[in-house]
Amino acid sequence: EAGVAQSPRYKIIEKRQSVAFWCNPISGHATLYWYQQILGQGPKLLIQFQNNGVVDDSQLPKDRFSAERLKGVDSTLKIQPAKLEDSAVYLCASSLGTGKNYEQYFGPGTRLTVT
Amino acid sequence: AQSVSQHNHHVILSEAASLELGCNYSYGGTVNLFWYVQYPGQHLQLLLKYFSGDPLVKGIKGFEAEFIKSKFSFNLRKPSVQWSDTAEYFCAVMPGYSSASKIIFGSGTRLSIRP
Repeated sequence: EAGVAQSPRYKIIEKRQSVAFWCNPISGHATLYWYQQILGQGPKLLIQFQNNGVVDDSQLPKDRFSAERLKGVDSTLKIQPAKLEDSAVYLCASSLGTGKNYEQYFGPGTRLTVT
Repeated sequence: AQSVSQHNHHVILSEAASLELGCNYSYGGTVNLFWYVQYPGQHLQLLLKYFSGDPLVKGIKGFEAEFIKSKFSFNLRKPSVQWSDTAEYFCAVMPGYSSASKIIFGSGTRLSIRP
């Protein structure tokens, strides 16, 4: 089966610009996650969707980050305006459901560099 | 706040050496524990997991991990490593209090195997 797809794979922008990342989860997966992985750190959950509803966005910097999953399938994560500290790999993951029994499958990530 | 500590940032071993990667977490309640692996150029993927029962769990590729509740530890082991085990390894915790799927990752340990 096809895995989690993400685009673009790499993006370089200047600070204060805006950027958007796209994720297409594995077909049939109801739960979708966005993680931020800063160099030298593990992934940190930004937001979790169950279908098109938000389950957890407690660590999403809502003043500049937004995410949507309007039709309950693919999702977009946006940063506006970007800061230098947003340089990171943004990982999308999906799972059949929510909870420990549902393995999360990760995409290849989008590497963002903010200059 | 819950956290996961991986004390070894980079481990270098020769082929056939034994491996043990340390992982400690800070959470007093029920936890679900994971080890993820990211091989060079590949996606993050699940190596093994522990929810309950036998504290010694076996995963793919000959890896195993032992949950020691009194030490808040979940160390990863392999009796004899191969060059193909070169990767970054992440320990992760999912607190058991929530039906959501929030995983808290450690900062990772990079494993380099000398052929």
